[in-house]
Amino acid sequence: DAGVIQSPRHEVTEMGQEVTLRCKPISGHNSLFWYRQTMMRGLELLIYFNNNVPIDDSGMPEDRFSAKMPNASFSTLKIQPSEPRDSAVYFCASSLTSAYNEQFFGPGTRLTVL
Amino acid sequence: AQTVTQSQPEMSVQEAETVTLSCTYDTSESNYYLFWYKQPPSRQMILVIRQEAYKQQNATENRFSVNFQKAAKSFSLKISDSQLGDTAMYFCAFSSGTYKYIFGTGTRLKVLA
Repeated sequence: DAGVIQSPRHEVTEMGQEVTLRCKPISGHNSLFWYRQTMMRGLELLIYFNNNVPIDDSGMPEDRFSAKMPNASFSTLKIQPSEPRDSAVYFCASSLTSAYNEQFFGPGTRLTVL
Repeated sequence: AQTVTQSQPEMSVQEAETVTLSCTYDTSESNYYLFWYKQPPSRQMILVIRQEAYKQQNATENRFSVNFQKAAKSFSLKISDSQLGDTAMYFCAFSSGTYKYIFGTGTRLKVLA
């Protein structure tokens, strides 16, 4: 079975540019998460979707960040405009909504904003 | 608020030896779930082992086992017969049964040949 798929794996961009990160969750999973990982702050939950609906976006840093899930098999995280402090590894994870809720992580996208 | 603490930023162990990684947490919930995730240099987060708080028996997965002390709110990971491929960051995580994971800051483990 394919796991969670993320693209691109690496992204280098210049400050002010728009960045779009993509995620395909595991088929059949109805929960999707976007995380950001940095040395300083560790793993932070940015946003959580359940059945394609955003449930908790309290971790989204500011209005420059937006996320969508137009269908059960695709989600995007967009940063516009990007800033150097957005440099991090961004993970997408998916799970079945259940009390046991093991989250399966994608390989991550390493974003570098110059 | 729930918190997860991993007090050992870095550890090393000789190949074939046993190592224990510590994790403590704080919660007022009575039922919850605890996880250990491994993040090797490839960055992929991989579930190593999980424990349900209402289960008294410590979880075991091959060379990996946990020592779950509910009263002490402690959840340590023991790796037996350490292998070079065990070199990774290890994250302890807590979930009260909702979607939200609380992650610790991680322990970087290096297995020495």
